[in-house]
Amino acid sequence: NAGVTQTPKFQVLKTGQSMTLQCAQDMNHEYMSWYRQDPGMGLRLIHYSVGAGITDQGEVPNGYNVSRSTTEDFPLRLLSAAPSQTSVYFCASSYSPRLFMNTEAFFGQGTRLTVV
Amino acid sequence: QQPVQSPQAVILREGEDAVINCSSSKALYSVHWYRQKHGEAPVFLMILLKGGEQKGHEKISASFNEKKQQSSLYLTASQLSYSGTYFCGTEKNNQGGKLIFGQGTELSVKP
Repeated sequence: NAGVTQTPKFQVLKTGQSMTLQCAQDMNHEYMSWYRQDPGMGLRLIHYSVGAGITDQGEVPNGYNVSRSTTEDFPLRLLSAAPSQTSVYFCASSYSPRLFMNTEAFFGQGTRLTVV
Repeated sequence: QQPVQSPQAVILREGEDAVINCSSSKALYSVHWYRQKHGEAPVFLMILLKGGEQKGHEKISASFNEKKQQSSLYLTASQLSYSGTYFCGTEKNNQGGKLIFGQGTELSVKP
């Protein structure tokens, strides 16, 4: 198993550009999430999904879109990049053995995004 | 909504013990603990569920006070490898999948 794979690892964008951060997992996990990590702020939840076709907002969703058409993939789209979106982005997935029950989250290696 | 961790940072000598606290203003279903080394992804340590179920890892243990919505992570006889940033993550009842993390506690273990 590859686990959680994020691409790209590094990206530089110009203000106003759009892009998609890719996240794929091969563990058949129901739950997937996107976080951003900024110094002193911890990991902040952007969007999450409890299954294919189901997504919901986290703490800091503005400026980001997600979709979950398959169990494996959970892409994060930046609609119009801003310098405030400069951050390290982590995708995570976890197994849910029953409704509303979560287990350990597996994280991807992160995408370091710089918006200039 | 973000849980509050304390202390923000702690420096230890090898062999010393440490306690990291995590508190929430919301009723919780579970508390997760993760450790992150610099430049790496967070790694799962343990999960504590409402009702007392607990899983441990090495010499690291944790407690979960459901009435106070607080959790504490105990690191005993610290090793150099324990250095990193520790995060607690919390889930509310009926919101499985929505894991909210605290701001982190930076732990440095010196020889």
